[in-house]
Amino acid sequence: AQSVTQPDIHITVSEGASLELRCNYSYGATPYLFWYVQSPGQGLQLLLKYFSGDTLVQGIKGFEAEFKRSQSSFNLRKPSVHWSDAAEYFCAVVNTGGFKTIFGAGTRLFVKA
Amino acid sequence: GAVVSQHPSRVICKSGTSVKIECRSLDFQATTMFWYRQFPKKSLMLMATSNEGSKATYEQGVEKDKFLINHASLTLSTLTVTSAHPEDSSFYICSASQVDRETQYFGPGTRLLVL
Repeated sequence: AQSVTQPDIHITVSEGASLELRCNYSYGATPYLFWYVQSPGQGLQLLLKYFSGDTLVQGIKGFEAEFKRSQSSFNLRKPSVHWSDAAEYFCAVVNTGGFKTIFGAGTRLFVKA
Repeated sequence: GAVVSQHPSRVICKSGTSVKIECRSLDFQATTMFWYRQFPKKSLMLMATSNEGSKATYEQGVEKDKFLINHASLTLSTLTVTSAHPEDSSFYICSASQVDRETQYFGPGTRLLVL
């Protein structure tokens, strides 16, 4: 069965520090991979996505993610976090057949001054 | 970019009444729309997938008679919570995708509170 694991329920980083949010997936083939961000009481905003090609993907707001097939991972990174990045981050997988999206449990990011 | 709106943004209703939530794709034609439910501090749970002009496909455990979904046009899908009860209180989010269907664009969500 397909699944997405985000091992960290919450992470706290200092403003200006680097960030890495972990995501591991379980899927028989290479899925379509996504990272979304959700501010409190809001919908989801797409940060970036990976379908194929270059395994390092650039997204909006200075985020990037790297697909590593050998580790079944798609970790999200940002070199310098801003206070406005505090939010909930969801990793998601879409199967290439039925286009059903499976979301991870989410990681809450706290940014301290 | 592709914009999806939802209306209302929040609604409070009495137990036993029905509530309709609209999801619109504002600047693209959405061949497929998805409805999710999100519990507090939880991830999104897919409720159903709807394609324009056809019946929605519901996920296991989702009561289709309780959560009526209509996708009458390429820009509008509605979710009606019938005979709402307090346990239906939740955050409902829709998303829409175009023909390729790999990328979904999410609405801002609707907060439903059933008293």
